[in-house]
Amino acid sequence: QVQLQQSGPGLVKPSQTLSLTCAISGDSVSSNSAAWNWIRQSPSRGLEWLGRTYYRSKWYNDYSGSVKTRITIDADTSKNQFSLQLNSVTPEDTAVYYCASGWAMDSWGQGTLVTVSS
Amino acid sequence: DIQMTQSPSSLSASVGDRVTITCRASQSISTYLNWYLQRPGKAPKLLIYDASSLQSGVPSRFSGSRSGTDFTLTIGSLQPEDFATYYCQQSYSNSLGFGQGTKVEMK
Repeated sequence: QVQLQQSGPGLVKPSQTLSLTCAISGDSVSSNSAAWNWIRQSPSRGLEWLGRTYYRSKWYNDYSGSVKTRITIDADTSKNQFSLQLNSVTPEDTAVYYCASGWAMDSWGQGTLVTVSS
Repeated sequence: DIQMTQSPSSLSASVGDRVTITCRASQSISTYLNWYLQRPGKAPKLLIYDASSLQSGVPSRFSGSRSGTDFTLTIGSLQPEDFATYYCQQSYSNSLGFGQGTKVEMK
């Protein structure tokens, strides 16, 4: 059973970069069958999938059109983890952020409330 | 983007009731439809994948079905732990999307 442990700051200033990390146990980030997702949830936007990374002989990324110009999802094979960077944040990016594994997302991190405020 | 429309947005039911939640896709998504349950303050939990496959460890009172672009989640006999919010999610396109959720409340 895959377990995911999220880490990162809970407060980010407007215009700065939101950065979160998801550490994986029970699987490899470079598994040829896995996918690694970031999702967020807010009262105004509901559940919103942000993007994913996966390895199939090389690394691939898919991103939501709503954040495509501001998002980067990277994998770190040495630490068996993947990360989210969201640039130029505004208060509208305030949400609970989750990482999740799978094409159907069958394991989730614990969630991180990120508030964008000065 | 593919739009997912859930109905109803909320419902009231009693323990033992049969509950049905519907999700409609804006275009054909084959069987690329998953269902999740979310309790307050917790991460979503996968119940059904590929429209009708029961995730390991999920009770058999949960079932899913498809008719064209309409998908249904059925809870055969509602249990106290089932009062929660349910979401559908399409995995057909490279840009995944969720429905807006259905809150199941106690009558």
